[in-house]
Amino acid sequence: SAVISQKPSRDICQRGTSLTIQCQVDSQVTMMFWYRQQPGQSLTLIATANQGSEATYESGFVIDKFPISRPNLTFSTLTVSNLSPEDSSIYLCSVNPELRGEQYFGPGTRLTVT
Amino acid sequence: AQSVTQLGSHVSVSEGALVLLRCNYSSSVPPYLFWYVQYPNQGLQLLLKYTSAATLVKGINGFEAEFKKSETSFHLTKPSAHMSDAAEYFCAVNPGSSASKIIFGSGTRLSIRP
Repeated sequence: SAVISQKPSRDICQRGTSLTIQCQVDSQVTMMFWYRQQPGQSLTLIATANQGSEATYESGFVIDKFPISRPNLTFSTLTVSNLSPEDSSIYLCSVNPELRGEQYFGPGTRLTVT
Repeated sequence: AQSVTQLGSHVSVSEGALVLLRCNYSSSVPPYLFWYVQYPNQGLQLLLKYTSAATLVKGINGFEAEFKKSETSFHLTKPSAHMSDAAEYFCAVNPGSSASKIIFGSGTRLSIRP
C-alpha cells in the first residue's frame, strides 16, 4: 500500500489566478496520477506523471492549463492555471505501486473558484 | 473501448437489509476490477479487487463482489447494511490495454434508512 498526502486540502481562488497542488507519497513509485472530480461526478483522469519525463495528458486536458511537475519518485505537483469557475472541483492524486494493481488515493484538494 | 457501467446512481436500503450495487464492464482482455468507496469530503478507499484469481472476492467492512465473466459483471454486495456504509461507491476497471490506467464508473450513492 501507499500513504499519500496532498496540500492544500482546500482553497478558494479568484478567477484568473493559479493554484498549485502538492502530492507526497511515503514510498517511491514510478507513476503518479492526477484526477479531477467535478461536483457530484465521477473521477476523470487528467494526466499520468512519470519521474524524469513529460506527463501524459488525457484527451481534453492540456499542459498549458494543467502543468505537472515530477521532480522525484515521491513527489508531484499539479497546477491549475488561469482559473475559471468551471475549474471548481476536487483534485486527487494517486499511485499504483504495482503494475496493473490498485491505485491508492490522496485525500483530495477541494478548489472553489470565485 | 473499455468501460464500466454502474446501474443506479442512487440506491437506498434499510439498515440491516442486503446491499447490492451493480457494475458491468467492457474489456477486450481479462480485466482487473476494483470497488472503491468515498465517504463525504474524503479521498477514495479501496474496498476490494479482482485480479483473475478467485471469482468471489472479499473486501473490507463486510463487502464482497463476484466476478461473472459470462455476464461481464462485478456486483458489490453486503448482507446487512449499516448506517456507516452510507457513501459513494465506484466500480473501476484496469482493462489491460494500458498497464496502469484505471477507468471509473459514474458512481452509486448509497443511502441507509434507519
